[in-house]
Amino acid sequence: DVKVTQSSRYLVKRTGEKVFLECVQDMDHENMFWYRQDPGLGLRLIYFSYDVKMKEKGDIPEGYSVSREKKERFSLILESASTNQTSMYLCASSVPSGGFLYNEQFFGPGTRLTVL
Amino acid sequence: QKEVEQNSGPLSVPEGAIASLNCTYSDRGSQSFFWYRQYSGKSPELIMFIYSNGDKEDGRFTAQLNKASQYVSLLIRDSQPSDSATYLCAVNSYYGGSQGNLIFGKGTKLSVKP
Repeated sequence: DVKVTQSSRYLVKRTGEKVFLECVQDMDHENMFWYRQDPGLGLRLIYFSYDVKMKEKGDIPEGYSVSREKKERFSLILESASTNQTSMYLCASSVPSGGFLYNEQFFGPGTRLTVL
Repeated sequence: QKEVEQNSGPLSVPEGAIASLNCTYSDRGSQSFFWYRQYSGKSPELIMFIYSNGDKEDGRFTAQLNKASQYVSLLIRDSQPSDSATYLCAVNSYYGGSQGNLIFGKGTKLSVKP
């Protein structure tokens, strides 16, 4: 079974703190993604990566950065946390989608971040 | 802007009935279509995918795809209270020239009443 793990299920931080969210997958997937999910807004893509050291911006990258030093690990960084970054953060991974087929994304359990 | 649209619900059906969930998408180039189920407080899990026009059945679930109408649906037969969840439709799309991204709808909340 594919396993995607995230470093924390719940996290409480203060405004202005630097926050690190870690994601690890154990299936040698090339693709990794970070989303945030908010009521009424659905899943929104923050950043994604198709390879080590590679990153691309998603729909809402402002206020975030990412790091992918190893294939299995994809980190999301909130440089200076703000209250509007309070959300559920979901990491996902998938195999490369040559031909568009079979690019199912497998999700981690999520991190519920509260910024006070 | 590529979009995936779903009715937000809630969709309420009695136990044992058929639940019908619908999704439309804007990108005619999309080729893979996914249905995820998300229980409250949990992460999405894949229940079905489809990439050919027509129906695909898996147990109580049937996915239907009509590429000409840009329409995907999920039927749940003999609905059970344990099916109560939010169902997310996802469609593959290019993103910045790369493959492998999914665009998600906002989800339809299904409630199955005993």
